Amino acid sequence: NAGVTQTPKFRILKIGQSMTLQCTQDMNHNYMYWYRQDPGMGLKLIYYSVGAGITDKGEVPNGYNVSRSTTEDFPLRLELAAPSQTSVYFCASRNERVSSYEQYFGPGTRLTVT
Amino acid sequence: KNQVEQSPQSLIILEGKNCTLQCNYTVSPFSNLRWYKQDTGRGPVSLTIMTFSENTKSNGRYTATLDADTKQSSLHITASQLSDSASYICVVSASEYGNKLVFGAGTILRVKS
Repeated sequence: NAGVTQTPKFRILKIGQSMTLQCTQDMNHNYMYWYRQDPGMGLKLIYYSVGAGITDKGEVPNGYNVSRSTTEDFPLRLELAAPSQTSVYFCASRNERVSSYEQYFGPGTRLTVT
Repeated sequence: KNQVEQSPQSLIILEGKNCTLQCNYTVSPFSNLRWYKQDTGRGPVSLTIMTFSENTKSNGRYTATLDADTKQSSLHITASQLSDSASYICVVSASEYGNKLVFGAGTILRVKS
């Protein structure tokens, strides 16, 4: 299993541009999450999904959108990039069906908005 | 306000030495507490997960303790290795669904030879 994969690894955007951060997991996990990590701060939850077709907002959803059309994929969309969205973004997944609290994280996408 | 505070912010130790990292939290309700290791440029990797009824859990050279009464946890690393150099993050969950995790800012550990 590749686990949780994220693309791209790095990206520089200009203010106002849009992009999609890709996240894929091959472990058949039902729960998936998007976090952002700012320097010196703890991770913050942006959006999460408990299964295909179901998404919900986390702590910091403004400026982002998500979709979950399949179990494997959970893309994060930035519509109008702003400097405040400069951060490292992590996708994670969890198999809630085995009553495990364990979340498995991807390697992250480092985004800079200038 | 739900918060997780970690100390120290950073720590340098010699290879082979032990160290203990601290975590205090004010998260309520409480579901579980996790410790993650995050190498530079990588995603966090789980070390231990403890529920309310567990007060100690080990994973190799890593031992986590939990005092739910005082809302404190510690992570003890025994016989440190250079590969232990990383950020160690304490995370408290207010929900079993994983959508109410409160992350600490982490303790940066550097092990030198």
